Amino acid sequence: DIQMTQSPSSLSAAVGDRVTITCQASQDIRIHLNWYQQKLGQAPKLLIYDASKLETGVPSRFSGSGSGTHFTFTISTLHPEDFATYYCQQYDRLFTFGPGTKVEIK
Amino acid sequence: EVHLLESGGGLVQPGGSLRLSCAASGFSFSDYAMAWVRQAPGKGLEWVSAIGYSGDETYYADSVKGRFTISRDNSKNTVSLQMINLRADDTARYYCVKDLYVRLTRGSFDRWGQGSLVTVS
Repeated sequence: DIQMTQSPSSLSAAVGDRVTITCQASQDIRIHLNWYQQKLGQAPKLLIYDASKLETGVPSRFSGSGSGTHFTFTISTLHPEDFATYYCQQYDRLFTFGPGTKVEIK
Repeated sequence: EVHLLESGGGLVQPGGSLRLSCAASGFSFSDYAMAWVRQAPGKGLEWVSAIGYSGDETYYADSVKGRFTISRDNSKNTVSLQMINLRADDTARYYCVKDLYVRLTRGSFDRWGQGSLVTVS
């Protein structure tokens, strides 16, 4: 089974900050990685697929990069509506979510 | 607009059974793989099961293999999850999700329902 880790598990940031989250896979998953955003009380939303492709309608301040085992998710300028929990998910061999990173208001 | 509406959740005793259903609309249902993802209260996301667009291929997480069965009816635009021998750690909100790619079980879940709560107690 492929295990996913994320760091940090939580972070505090201010509106306007640049935020970076990392995701590591236990084995090579090529670019088979998604990023989701989940706001409190809501279903998750797909933001990035294939490691770096922006889902339709998602603002360009969100971006993803990486391949193999190490991936990065960045919010270039944090907006008030971006405070949420972010999950990575691999789909190279079945499907596994990371434990999530909670982005809180500083 | 894509809509996914789950139903069938509720309170069940350990060892009991439950069947979740998901009614889909707003897209060509028979062209897309579907899946179930769950989230225990206050916890992260866990993929549970997936089914290919035609229903010929099914996949399960180890935690539910042998106890859960996924199926779909493309004539009725529904996907179901039959759950037996339920355990306390199956307690979660179960989301019905749609795959992004046409006719591929890719695992990029681009549409989610609001979820159905299953409580095993």
